[in-house]
Amino acid sequence: DAGVIQSPRHEVTEMGQEVTLRCKPISGHNSLFWYRQTMMRGLELLIYFNNNVPIDDSGMPEDRFSAKMPNASFSTLKIQPSEPRDSAVYFCASSLMGGQPQHFGDGTRLSIL
Amino acid sequence: QKEVEQNSGPLSVPEGAIASLNCTYSDRGSQSFFWYRQYSGKSPELIMFIYSNGDKEDGRFTAQLNKASQYVSLLIRDSQPSDSATYLCAVNPDQGGKLIFGQGTELSVKP
Repeated sequence: DAGVIQSPRHEVTEMGQEVTLRCKPISGHNSLFWYRQTMMRGLELLIYFNNNVPIDDSGMPEDRFSAKMPNASFSTLKIQPSEPRDSAVYFCASSLMGGQPQHFGDGTRLSIL
Repeated sequence: QKEVEQNSGPLSVPEGAIASLNCTYSDRGSQSFFWYRQYSGKSPELIMFIYSNGDKEDGRFTAQLNKASQYVSLLIRDSQPSDSATYLCAVNPDQGGKLIFGQGTELSVKP
């Protein structure tokens, strides 16, 4: 079975540019999660969706971050404008439903210069 | 503030020994508990999950849950160098899907 698929794997861009991260959850999974991982703050939940509907976006750092899930097989996390402090590894994860084990994608390593 | 606490380590054990990783959580109403393994530069990989008090065994891994004391642990028997990684404890506080992760414990298994 295909796991969670994220793209791109690496992204290097300059401050002020728009960044779009993409995620395809495991087929049949109804919950999708976006995380950010840094050495200082560890693994933090940014936002999660149930059945394509955003449920909790309290972890989104500020208005520069936005996430969408237009259908059950695709989600995006957008940063506009990007800043150097946004540099981190961004993971997408999915689960059958809330409370069930989450399975992570390989992540996107984002560097903002 | 809902928190999950782990010792950052590093925890060093000799090959073949039992590694014991511990985690405490603050939200008494938490229902689901997960252990993930993360190799350097890789994504978290689910190792075990446990919902009920007591022990749950899967191969060399045993998860232990004590809700009254609000701790969950992971035992790794016959530790191998390939077990060297960071182990993340995660807690689902409300069945709503959100996981709260600890900072992780770095485990080093020496040959």
